[in-house]
Amino acid sequence: KNQVEQSPQSLIILEGKNCTLQCNYTVSPFSNLRWYKQDTGRGPVSLTIMTFSENTKSNGRYTATLDADTKQSSLHITASQLSDSASYICVVSTGGGNKLTFGTGTQLKVEL
Amino acid sequence: NAGVTQTPKFRILKIGQSMTLQCTQDMNHNYMYWYRQDPGMGLKLIYYSVGAGITDKGEVPNGYNVSRSTTEDFPLRLELAAPSQTSVYFCASSYFSGEDTQYFGPGTRLTVL
Repeated sequence: KNQVEQSPQSLIILEGKNCTLQCNYTVSPFSNLRWYKQDTGRGPVSLTIMTFSENTKSNGRYTATLDADTKQSSLHITASQLSDSASYICVVSTGGGNKLTFGTGTQLKVEL
Repeated sequence: NAGVTQTPKFRILKIGQSMTLQCTQDMNHNYMYWYRQDPGMGLKLIYYSVGAGITDKGEVPNGYNVSRSTTEDFPLRLELAAPSQTSVYFCASSYFSGEDTQYFGPGTRLTVL
């Protein structure tokens, strides 16, 4: 069964600090891995999308890494801001891409 | 561009009632999707469409119907609402395929009592 597991479930950090969110997946066949940010009461917004051959991708202060051998990905947030408070969702696509497996998300809260 | 818009934002239904959730995109995307998001769970695909006139079932299609008469619109119909359909519903679209970035609407929060 295709699964995407994220850790931690929730995280509280101080503004300005860095953090790293983890994603492990057992999805086959693998097509690509995405990270989404979902603000409370809103739809998810794409941060990064990586294919099998890519092992890192950045989007501003967000940097995602992918290790296709160990089936792990991480999302690193640098110099966190209050606006980074959101749920971060890891999503893995199988072949054809119409079938996505969503993780349950890591709820990040950035405090003063 | 407004992107992906959904109406209504909130709705309360009684058991057995029916309703249509509206979704419109103005990005000329071929692919459109309906997901539901239950508390503490990952999003689940209900139905998707690869173009006008073509729809297909996702992971959790029971109790729902869709149609795609135009590129822009992809309504989701709930027949005989049940408490198990209480959820937040998201519509999304992408240009080429599911491989492409999906753009999500703001969601519709539905409660069935």
